[in-house]
Amino acid sequence: QSVLTQPPSASGPPGQRVTVSCSGGRSNIGSNAVSWYQQIPGSAPKLVIYNNNLRPSGVPDRLSGSKSGTSASLAIGGLQSDDEADYYCASWDDSLKGVVFGGGTKLTVL
Amino acid sequence: HVHLQESGPGLVKPSGTLSLTCAVSGGSIISPNWWSWVRQPPGAGLEWIGETLHDGSNIYNPSLSGRVTISIDRPYSRFSLRLNSVTAADTAVYYCARVATQATKYRIPGALDVWGQGRAVVVSS
Repeated sequence: QSVLTQPPSASGPPGQRVTVSCSGGRSNIGSNAVSWYQQIPGSAPKLVIYNNNLRPSGVPDRLSGSKSGTSASLAIGGLQSDDEADYYCASWDDSLKGVVFGGGTKLTVL
Repeated sequence: HVHLQESGPGLVKPSGTLSLTCAVSGGSIISPNWWSWVRQPPGAGLEWIGETLHDGSNIYNPSLSGRVTISIDRPYSRFSLRLNSVTAADTAVYYCARVATQATKYRIPGALDVWGQGRAVVVSS
């Protein structure tokens, strides 16, 4: 049972916009920044969003992050086949005094 | 570009100690960055293990605290993970990673911007 809650799956056709949600609480998302990772099976995770809505160099602006209260979202616009991956949210938890991850969302491009 | 590479045994016996090392190249391990370990059991999600800084400061996942030690070897530009009293539940791919900073000095908790390729470790007799 992950501290941060994500839907297990999401999907959309090429070109569409998909949103992945991440729900937490006051001690994590409510008080700290959220990061998002993309993981292609068999590969290491890749940071795609940090500080709620900032993109590391090289990440396309089709990916965007937002946060409101104790929830966060990752939006992927103009879906492409290589967006198929597992996506994880993460945040610091003040009560647990550690980094917590969501359980991951498997994105399928139909 | 900073590059990270894990190494260590891929098979550990139950009740034994899991030991992995992460070599840091292309950048200095003596930097404002913290250095982290994350693991991923087969078919499961990511679990943060802990972090270390070049001065020896550490933060550990409370669920593993007491069994885990992360240390840094500045002369050899590497950092290590030791996990004691392992069981089958510790079978996972273990990743080392760098914690991102903002303004080149402030740690961004949860933001891991450089990752190693991962080392699969199986706990079995």
